[in-house]
Amino acid sequence: EAGVAQSPRYKIIEKRQSVAFWCNPISGHATLYWYQQILGQGPKLLIQFQNNGVVDDSQLPKDRFSAERLKGVDSTLKIQPAKLEDSAVYLCASSLDPTSVPTQYFGPGTRLLVL
Amino acid sequence: KQEVTQIPAALSVPEGENLVLNCSFTDSAIYNLQWFRQDPGKGLTSLLLIQSSQREQTSGRLNASLDKSSGRSTLYIAASQPGDSATYLCAVGDGSASKIIFGSGTRLSIRP
Repeated sequence: EAGVAQSPRYKIIEKRQSVAFWCNPISGHATLYWYQQILGQGPKLLIQFQNNGVVDDSQLPKDRFSAERLKGVDSTLKIQPAKLEDSAVYLCASSLDPTSVPTQYFGPGTRLLVL
Repeated sequence: KQEVTQIPAALSVPEGENLVLNCSFTDSAIYNLQWFRQDPGKGLTSLLLIQSSQREQTSGRLNASLDKSSGRSTLYIAASQPGDSATYLCAVGDGSASKIIFGSGTRLSIRP
């Protein structure tokens, strides 16, 4: 079974530029999550999708971050414009059915450096 | 607001020792608790999940316990090996099975 795929693995941009990350969850997983992990901290949930609908985006900085999951499968996370404090690893995770099988499967992450 | 704390932030022990990693949380009304492993440059791998009604879970050399009333969990690793070197993260299911709050992790180094 293929795991959660993310691309790119690394990205370096200058502040005020825009950047986009892509995630392809495990086949059949209805729930998709984007997390931000700043160095030395645990992951923080940015947004959770159930199929193509948003379940929780309470911690997403909506003035600069956006995410979509148009067909209920893969997803993109965009930052525009980026700030220095956005430097972090962006992790995507998916789960089959969080109420009955809560295990989340994580991708390798995209490491973003904003200069 | 739920807060999850892991102490120490880093730990180094010689190979073969048994060790305990600690996790505490401020709100005992959790849905479940998980321990994850994170290797450098890689994603997180779930090690053990304890439902709120359970007291412990075991997998191989790993044993996780949960005391909801005191807001504590421990991860016990028996006979540590250099391959156990990684960051271990504790996470609680906060209000639902899908919303999890992570601690900052304990970076574990096993010396050969």
